[in-house]
Amino acid sequence: ETGVTQTPRHLVMGMTNKKSLKCEQHLGHNAMYWYKQSAKKPLELMFVYNFKEQTENNSVPSRFSPECPNSSHLFLHLHTLQPEDSALYLCASSPTQGAPIYGYTFGSGTRLTVV
Amino acid sequence: TQLLEQSPQFLSIQEGENLTVYCNSSSVFSSLQWYRQEPGEGPVLLVTVVTGGEVKKLKRLTFQFGDARKDSSLHITAAQPGDTGLYLCAGVHTSYDKVIFGPGTSLSVIP
Repeated sequence: ETGVTQTPRHLVMGMTNKKSLKCEQHLGHNAMYWYKQSAKKPLELMFVYNFKEQTENNSVPSRFSPECPNSSHLFLHLHTLQPEDSALYLCASSPTQGAPIYGYTFGSGTRLTVV
Repeated sequence: TQLLEQSPQFLSIQEGENLTVYCNSSSVFSSLQWYRQEPGEGPVLLVTVVTGGEVKKLKRLTFQFGDARKDSSLHITAAQPGDTGLYLCAGVHTSYDKVIFGPGTSLSVIP
């Protein structure tokens, strides 16, 4: 139990489908992150939320839409994805965005396959 | 663009052997973190090194931060199958809240 729970663990979706990834943390952290992990590439930061407010969007295509209703929950809504979007999507949290020295607590990820 | 390079990319060794993996950059970091990611799981923070030249030990793992705070190494003594995983280094820029991840070293320890 890492304190950050992601569901589902695996997802296969067609290019015309709409699906959502869910992340929940019970650590009392105020910052939450979405990362994309592809084979042989560094972790790519997608979005950052700090105290429920989006503070960073790293030029992510609009087919990825994040939502953060409160500091404990983070969603990633997916629609009309491309096969190259297949990857491991990791959610992470930290005490606050302004203190990266404390490190991140990651969830186990959602393995997404777009067919 | 700030990049972190890690070497080697892949490493396969026998149980009981020693190994060192490296993390290098042209950038100076406020601190550097090492994570281990086991298959099917997310990365788990192992250590944060802050001071240039700092050495930290975690059981059989020894982490060192370079004097210039641009590089780091991870040495594992008497590797065990449980050490298998992807080792990620992450450079931290405290001044502007940035964390840069390297591509990782994939370690396989064969029983």
